[in-house]
Amino acid sequence: GNSVTQMEGPVTLSEEAFLTINCTYTATGYPSLFWYVQYPGEGLQLLLKATKADDKGSNKGFEATYRKETTSFHLEKGSVQVSDSAVYFCALRIYTGGFKTIFGAGTRLFVKA
Amino acid sequence: NAGVTQTPKFRVLKTGQSMTLLCAQDMNHEYMYWYRQDPGMGLRLIHYSVGEGTTAKGEVPDGYNVSRLKKQNFLLGLESAAPSQTSVYFCASSYSTGNEKLFFGSGTQLSVL
Repeated sequence: GNSVTQMEGPVTLSEEAFLTINCTYTATGYPSLFWYVQYPGEGLQLLLKATKADDKGSNKGFEATYRKETTSFHLEKGSVQVSDSAVYFCALRIYTGGFKTIFGAGTRLFVKA
Repeated sequence: NAGVTQTPKFRVLKTGQSMTLLCAQDMNHEYMYWYRQDPGMGLRLIHYSVGEGTTAKGEVPDGYNVSRLKKQNFLLGLESAAPSQTSVYFCASSYSTGNEKLFFGSGTQLSVL
């Protein structure tokens, strides 16, 4: 089946630390891959995406590379800020009788000043 | 600039009561989705629609019904609410291609006592 597995949180970092949140997927076809972010009390919003193998998505200092050989899409940021504190969801989008987006369980990030 | 609008934002029900959650989008999207979000489980797809007049089951459809009578609206119904349906419900919409992001509403927090 199609599924997404991401590292459990919470992840607690100090400001300016390096961030990695691991994400691996299982898919029967060739999915597009996404990272969404959810701030407290809000809906999810797109952070970045990659649509084919070896593509790199980037936005607001965050990056993730679509690795088909390891079925991974790890999220990285070189220097986190307090304002990056949120829940991060890895997701894949695939066609199974209609386009569906399947989410991982989410990873909560706390950044301390 | 409304995007995806969900009503109501909060609701408390007693076991056995019924209710309808309304989702409206003004972006002319073909696809609409209902997800529920529970701690440690990410977002799980309840039902979705690929166009006006169509609906399909997602991962966790039991206990819910949906209707898409107009392209811009997607209704989620609970006929006889149960405590297991206590959750945060998100509506989302998208264009009908594989690399498109989801646009989310701000969520409905539902408690069933």
